[in-house]
Amino acid sequence: DIVMTQSPDSLAVSLGERATISCKSSQSVLYSSNNKNYLAWYQQKLGQPPKLLIYWASTRESGVPDRFSGSGSGTDFTLTISSLQAEDVAVYYCQQYYGTPRTFGQGTKVEIK
Amino acid sequence: QVQLQESGPGLVKPSQTLSLTCTVSGGSISSSHYFWSWIRQPAGKGLEWIGRIYTSENTNYNPSLKSRVTISLDTSKNQFSLKLSSVTAADTAVYYCAREKTMTGTPYYFDYWGRGTLVTVSS
Repeated sequence: DIVMTQSPDSLAVSLGERATISCKSSQSVLYSSNNKNYLAWYQQKLGQPPKLLIYWASTRESGVPDRFSGSGSGTDFTLTISSLQAEDVAVYYCQQYYGTPRTFGQGTKVEIK
Repeated sequence: QVQLQESGPGLVKPSQTLSLTCTVSGGSISSSHYFWSWIRQPAGKGLEWIGRIYTSENTNYNPSLKSRVTISLDTSKNQFSLKLSSVTAADTAVYYCAREKTMTGTPYYFDYWGRGTLVTVSS
C-alpha cells in the first residue's frame, strides 16, 4: 500500500493568514506516461462528508475558491489556503489514486487562532 | 446534480453481516465514466477505502478487508451495495458511498460522496 503522511496533524491560523499543509507519499504518485500526479485533496467539515477540492495535485474542482491551491510532484505535495476564512475550518485529507488500495493521509485539522 | 444516498441498518450484531445500499440519482450508475466505491470512517479517525465496482464483473477490494467484503450492482434500481461479513466492534464507522471519476477506464478521484451512514456493531 502507498502510505500517505500529512503534517502537521493540526494547525491554528489567524483569519486572513496563510495555511499550509504537507502530504508525503511513500512512493511516487507521478505517472510517467502522462506526467500527471495522481493526488487529490479533500475538505471535511464537522458532520459532513469529504468534499473534493483539488485533483491532479493542482487542479481546482469547479466551484472551489481560488484561495485553495495545490502544488508538488512525485512524493511531496502541499495544500495552501492563501487567506484563511472562517468557513475553511475543517479537516483536510490528501489521497493517492495511483495505486490500489486507494489510501488517504491521516488528516490535518485547521482551526482559527 | 448527482446525489448518492446510503441506507441500511444502523446497528449490527457482532459476527453478523453488515449490509448497506447506495442509491444514485441524477445520473446513471451504468455510465462508463464512473466507478462506485465504499469508504468508511471510524469516529474521530481517518478514511479507509473498502472497495469499488465498475460493472457487475469488475470489482476491486482493499486487501485488508477482501475476505469479508462483497460489492454488487443493481442497474435496474441505480443502486450498488456493500456486504461486510463477520463484523466486530472494529467495523463500527460512518460508511460513505462515493463516485470515482474515470476517463480512460482507470478510476481517479472521488468527486461525489453520500452523506454517510453510521453503523454500530454491538450486541
